Amino acid sequence: DAGVIQSPRHEVTEMGQEVTLRCKPISGHDYLFWYRQTMMRGLELLIYFNNNVPIDDSGMPEDRFSAKMPNASFSTLKIQPSEPRDSAVYFCASSLAGGPADTQYFGPGTRLTVL
Amino acid sequence: AQSVTQLDSQVPVFEEAPVELRCNYSSSVSVYLFWYVQYPNQGLQLLLKYLSGSTLVKGINGFEAEFNKSQTSFHLRKPSVHISDTAEYFCAVITETGGFKTIFGAGTRLFVKA
Repeated sequence: DAGVIQSPRHEVTEMGQEVTLRCKPISGHDYLFWYRQTMMRGLELLIYFNNNVPIDDSGMPEDRFSAKMPNASFSTLKIQPSEPRDSAVYFCASSLAGGPADTQYFGPGTRLTVL
Repeated sequence: AQSVTQLDSQVPVFEEAPVELRCNYSSSVSVYLFWYVQYPNQGLQLLLKYLSGSTLVKGINGFEAEFNKSQTSFHLRKPSVHISDTAEYFCAVITETGGFKTIFGAGTRLFVKA
């Protein structure tokens, strides 16, 4: 298996632009997680899905952020409009099930820079 | 609310020396504990996890960790490190009351010198 795939790997945009990050989970995994990693706040869970349904989005920082999972093999995280403080590395992870015994497999991340 | 504290932001060590990366957690309920490693420009990879049973957990790459409930600690150890162990290490906790959400520590940068 190719593992969790994220695109793009790097994104540079200007403040006010819309940004869309993409994720393809490991086939057969029922859970998908979006994380954000910054120097100031470390690694934070933004939202997670179970069988394509958002379960907990309490970590989404504000209404400018939205996430969708239209099918089992694809998810997007959208920021509109983007701001410089959104600059971070965004990780997608997937797991077979949602319990603590189930290993989360992380993608390589998307490094977002908002100028 | 649960939290995870990694006591050292950076740990420099010489190759073939032993290392311990410290992690303490706070939670009033049962916890599940994890250590992840992040190599430069890569995602996190699970090193080991404690769910129940034996308090000494062995993971990949020769790492092990010991769960100490009375001290609320889960320190990571390796008896002899290699240059290739240079990476960021994250301690993490999941509690049932947290809805099985993973809470990560701030990370410890392990730097192995020749």
